[in-house]
Amino acid sequence: AQSVAQPEDQVNVAEGNPLTVKCTYSVSGNPYLFWYVQYPNRGLQFLLKYITGDNLVKGSYGFEAEFNKSQTSFHLKKPSALVSDSALYFCAVYPTSGGSYIPTFGRGTSLIVHP
Amino acid sequence: DTAVSQTPKYLVTQMGNDKSIKCEQNLGHDTMYWYKQDSKKFLKIMFSYNNKELIINETVPNRFSPKSPDKAHLNLHINSLELGDSAVYFCASSPGAGGDTQYFGPGTRLTVL
Repeated sequence: AQSVAQPEDQVNVAEGNPLTVKCTYSVSGNPYLFWYVQYPNRGLQFLLKYITGDNLVKGSYGFEAEFNKSQTSFHLKKPSALVSDSALYFCAVYPTSGGSYIPTFGRGTSLIVHP
Repeated sequence: DTAVSQTPKYLVTQMGNDKSIKCEQNLGHDTMYWYKQDSKKFLKIMFSYNNKELIINETVPNRFSPKSPDKAHLNLHINSLELGDSAVYFCASSPGAGGDTQYFGPGTRLTVL
């Protein structure tokens, strides 16, 4: 069975500092990996995804994520955090083998950027 | 123009009632989904339709019945509502079913009293 772990319920960072939101996964085969962001009282918005190729993926709003196959991780990063980045971030994995189209989302990490 | 829309935005009802949530997407996507987000923000897929055909049904009680009259619409009907059904329900769509990016609606907050 596939799973996604976001080990931190909350990440606090000062504005202007780099941020990292962690994600590890367990799935057979080569999955597609996604990051979504949810602002208060809103639906999820797509940030970036990894399918294949370069391990460093660049996405919306200056975010990027690094795929590490040996560590089965897909951590979200940003060089300089903004207060407006404060939101709930979800990592998601989609299997590409076994005929299953069922995505699994992590439990979410609340990012708080302090002025 | 709203890409994925849901109605109603808020739904407050009594236990035992039957209610429906509607979803429409104007993105021309083939695949639509229903998710449930609980009070701890945990997001769980419930159903998915691809070209009006049910492809995902994730051990959801049969009180929940999705219906897709066409590719652009996916409605969720809930019978005999229970307290535990209180949650935010999100509709989403994607171009196809094979791991494409999903586009989410604004959510419907269901409160069962």
